[in-house]
Amino acid sequence: SQKIEQNSEALNIQEGKTATLTCNYTNYSPAYLQWYRQDPGRGPVFLLLIRENEKEKRKERLKVTFDTTLKQSLFHITASQPADSATYLCALSVAAGNKLTFGGGTRVLVKP
Amino acid sequence: DTAVSQTPKYLVTQMGNDKSIKCEQNLGHDTMYWYKQDSKKFLKIMFSYNNKELIINETVPNRFSPKSPDKAHLNLHINSLELGDSAVYFCASSQGARRGGQPQHFGDGTRLSIL
Repeated sequence: SQKIEQNSEALNIQEGKTATLTCNYTNYSPAYLQWYRQDPGRGPVFLLLIRENEKEKRKERLKVTFDTTLKQSLFHITASQPADSATYLCALSVAAGNKLTFGGGTRVLVKP
Repeated sequence: DTAVSQTPKYLVTQMGNDKSIKCEQNLGHDTMYWYKQDSKKFLKIMFSYNNKELIINETVPNRFSPKSPDKAHLNLHINSLELGDSAVYFCASSQGARRGGQPQHFGDGTRLSIL
């Protein structure tokens, strides 16, 4: 069965450092991979999308890579700030239809 | 202006009752979704409607019945509530359902607690 794994342990990081999160998947051939941010008591907010034929995507301090051979995506937050503290979710979808399958999320805590 | 709004935000009720959750989006999107997020924080798709047509119907008990009166509204009715239904239910919307890779916009959830 399809499996999407994110590190369930919280990531504690010092302000200014780079946070790196992983999203691994098995039994899946996604055409798209998305990253969302979720704050406590709020719904997920879309951050970035990367296609299967793209290696890397950037948006401001965020960078996403997508390796379909390793079946892995890495999500980087550079120059992290306390305001970046949240849970980050990866979500995969195939080419047809917009059904998203989410990973369990990784909580990030940026300490000043 | 809130893009995707759900009501109520909190719902506490007894086992066996019937309840409804409402969702509205003002983004002009043609596709709406219901997700369930359980206590372990996994977010799972339940249903999706595109222009009032049901296009995703995951393995969900038939006590759950979605209804889309128009493409801006998607409601979820739950009959005979059970303890296991306690969760946060999220509504979302996107533009286009036939092609993948469309970002989804989420509401802030309805926290359902069954006593």
